[in-house]
Amino acid sequence: EDQVTQSPEALRLQEGESSSLNCSYTVSGLRGLFWYRQDPGKGPEFLFTLYSAGEEKEKERLKATLTKKESFLHITAPKPEDSATYLCAVLSNAGGTSYGKLTFGQGTILTVHP
Amino acid sequence: GAGVSQSPSNKVTEKGKDVELRCDPISGHTALYWYRQRLGQGLEFLIYFQGNSAPDKSGLPSDRFSAERTGESVSTLTIQRTQQEDSAVYLCASSYSGINNEQFFGPGTRLTVL
Repeated sequence: EDQVTQSPEALRLQEGESSSLNCSYTVSGLRGLFWYRQDPGKGPEFLFTLYSAGEEKEKERLKATLTKKESFLHITAPKPEDSATYLCAVLSNAGGTSYGKLTFGQGTILTVHP
Repeated sequence: GAGVSQSPSNKVTEKGKDVELRCDPISGHTALYWYRQRLGQGLEFLIYFQGNSAPDKSGLPSDRFSAERTGESVSTLTIQRTQQEDSAVYLCASSYSGINNEQFFGPGTRLTVL
């Protein structure tokens, strides 16, 4: 069974204080790792997909990296508007399926204070 | 272009009543997913549609839950004889195909069972 664990559960940062969120996973053949941002009362918003170890993707102040066991979401010089819950999800070959059933972690609640 | 839409945005019902939740996916997306998000928890997979068929219903919690999709477009999730533990946000997502594509989420329906 695929498992995804995110840490920390909550993170408080001062504006401009860079940090990283962690996503550890155990899957039967990784086909993709996804990062989403979720604001209160809204559905998750897609950020990145990573497919293989060593891959990196960037968007504004966010950079996602992937190893064979975990992914990091690095936030550089965060702003208050970056405050949200960040969700990690994996897509695997579990059960021999060939479709996009995502297994999500519990999320990291990020709060950036001005 | 239009994203995934869901209705109603909020639904309050009494225990034992039936409810229907609707999802309109992005036009042209063949894959559609339903997830459930309980307060403070991660997303839990419910069911997947490829076109109008549902190859995987393994996430449906009980036989009180059912879903259908028509015209490779709109999907309806029905919960019969609702229980208080059904209270959650029900999220719908769609993707271009059911393989490795990113899933785009709707805003969700918040269901409260009194």
